[in-house]
Amino acid sequence: GAGVSQTPSNKVTEKGKYVELRCDPISGHTALYWYRQSLGQGPEFLIYFQGTGAADDSGLPNDRFFAVRPEGSVSTLKIQRTERGDSAVYLCASSPTGGIAGSSYNEQFFGPGTRLTVL
Amino acid sequence: SQQGEEDPQALSIQEGENATMNCSYKTSINNLQWYRQNSGRGLVHLILIRSNEREKHSGRLRVTLDTSKKSSSLLITASRAADTASYFCATDAPNTGGFKTIFGAGTRLFVKA
Repeated sequence: GAGVSQTPSNKVTEKGKYVELRCDPISGHTALYWYRQSLGQGPEFLIYFQGTGAADDSGLPNDRFFAVRPEGSVSTLKIQRTERGDSAVYLCASSPTGGIAGSSYNEQFFGPGTRLTVL
Repeated sequence: SQQGEEDPQALSIQEGENATMNCSYKTSINNLQWYRQNSGRGLVHLILIRSNEREKHSGRLRVTLDTSKKSSSLLITASRAADTASYFCATDAPNTGGFKTIFGAGTRLFVKA
């Protein structure tokens, strides 16, 4: 079946602009994750959804970043007043359920990412 | 912040040789995972080892975990040019129920044909 898809694959914007990044998870996956990856670094956790609700948004760097998942499927990461430091690859992942300590772990399946460049 | 730190940062070997990458982490964990990332396939889950396991195998991959030293190693045997990629260890963040994953900075492996 289809994997996790992300659109657009590349986004170039100017400093101060607003951007939206979209993630389509694997059908039926209840958990959805957003990460940010800078060059030469590992993915950095941003936010995690279980269904429609954000179960943990502690990784969002500041209030310019916001994410929604209104119907428990597609998610949108929104960045207001973009800054040059926001330039990175934004990765989305989904899993059948969120991991629970001591129970069966559900592997995260990653999308190809959106490369955001803020000029 | 990143909990896992991989060592070495970069590794270059000949095809057929074994590649060993190490990961250290700071706090107690429930699970540790290894992922591979290359330009062709993105980030792919390789193997998971639980905190009560010491060693796990999957094909040419062997993972060890030493919770007393807070470290793990990934061994790739009989490496191939197609193994060229970045390898990341990832641990579940403490006190988060196991769903928040923290990645290290990765080891860049280059396998020469």
